[in-house]
Amino acid sequence: AQSVTQPDIHITVSEGASLELRCNYSYGATPYLFWYVQSPGQGLQLLLKYFSGDTLVQGIKGFEAEFKRSQSSFNLRKPSVHWSDAAEYFCAVGINNNDMRFGAGTRLTVKP
Amino acid sequence: NAGVTQTPKFRILKIGQSMTLQCAQDMNHNYMYWYRQDPGMGLKLIYYSVGAGITDKGEVPNGYNVSRSTTEDFPLRLELAAPSQTSVYFCASSYSSDNEQFFGPGTRLTVL
Repeated sequence: AQSVTQPDIHITVSEGASLELRCNYSYGATPYLFWYVQSPGQGLQLLLKYFSGDTLVQGIKGFEAEFKRSQSSFNLRKPSVHWSDAAEYFCAVGINNNDMRFGAGTRLTVKP
Repeated sequence: NAGVTQTPKFRILKIGQSMTLQCAQDMNHNYMYWYRQDPGMGLKLIYYSVGAGITDKGEVPNGYNVSRSTTEDFPLRLELAAPSQTSVYFCASSYSSDNEQFFGPGTRLTVL
């Protein structure tokens, strides 16, 4: 069955430190891959997406993600975290034309 | 553009009551989606629509119904509310299946 795993439920980093949020998927073909961010009480906002081509994709707010087919991973990274990055982050996989499966999310806390 | 709007923001229902969650988008998107978000579970797709007059089930459709009489509107109907339907409901829309989904602010529903 198709699934998306975000192993870290909660991560705390210091402001200015680097960040990596993990995402692994289980799917037979190369899926469409997404990272969304959700601030408290808000809907989801797309950070970046991968469909094909260059496996390192750049997104908004200084985020990037790398698709690694051999590891079935699509980890999100940011070199220097800002306090405003505190939010919940969701990895998602488009498994066919209309269905999208989300991971359970990783909550990011940023320490001053 | 208002984007994707949802009403109401909050609602408390008694078991067995019915209600309709409203969703509208002004971006002329063909695709619209309803998700529910439970704590620690990520988002799960309830129903989706690829255009006016066309709807289909997602991952968790039981207990819900939808209609899509216009491009703009995609209401979600709960006929006999149950405590298991306590959740936050998000509506989303996209131009096509492989484009970014734009999310509404959500409706927090509690069934007592």
